[in-house]
Amino acid sequence: DIQMTQSPSSLSASVGDRVTITCQASQDINNYLNWYQQKPGKAPKLLIYDASNLETGVPSRFSGSGSGTDFTFTISSLQPEDIATYYCQQYDNLLTFGGGTKVEIK
Amino acid sequence: EVQLVESGGGLVQPGRSLRLSCAASGFTFDDYAMHWVRQAPGKGLEWVSGINWNSGSTGYADSVKGRFTISRDNAKNSLYLQMNSLRAEDTALYYCAKASRDFWTRGYMDVWGKGTTVTVSS
Repeated sequence: DIQMTQSPSSLSASVGDRVTITCQASQDINNYLNWYQQKPGKAPKLLIYDASNLETGVPSRFSGSGSGTDFTFTISSLQPEDIATYYCQQYDNLLTFGGGTKVEIK
Repeated sequence: EVQLVESGGGLVQPGRSLRLSCAASGFTFDDYAMHWVRQAPGKGLEWVSGINWNSGSTGYADSVKGRFTISRDNAKNSLYLQMNSLRAEDTALYYCAKASRDFWTRGYMDVWGKGTTVTVSS
């Protein structure tokens, strides 16, 4: 099974800061990697698909990059409404989510 | 409006069974694969199962394989999850999610329901 290691597990940043989350796969998953945002008490929401493609309607401050085993998710300028937990998810072999990164405002 | 509404959750004793349902609307249901994803209290997301558009292929997480069965009825725009031999560790909020493609092995989940809660306890 493919393991997805996400880091950090939590972070605190100021409004306007650049925030970066990494996700490492236990084996090569090509670019079969998606990113989701989950706000408290809500269902997950797709932000990025296939490692770097922005879902329609998602603000451009969100971006993703990477291929193979190492992936990065970035919020270029953190906004108060970005407070959430972010998850990566691979679909190269079955489906696996990373452990999540909880983003808070400092 | 594209919508998924889960139902069927509740309190069940260990070893018993439960069947979850997901009613889809606002899109052509039989064009897309579907998934079940769960979230234990205070924990992260865990993919449970996926099914192709025509039920021709299904997949399961190791944690539920042999106990859970996913199915769909395209005539009723509905997805199901039959859960047998339930364990305390199956306690979670269960989400139904629409896949972006017709095969569950590819793509992403672009529409999610609000979930239905399953509690396994004596």
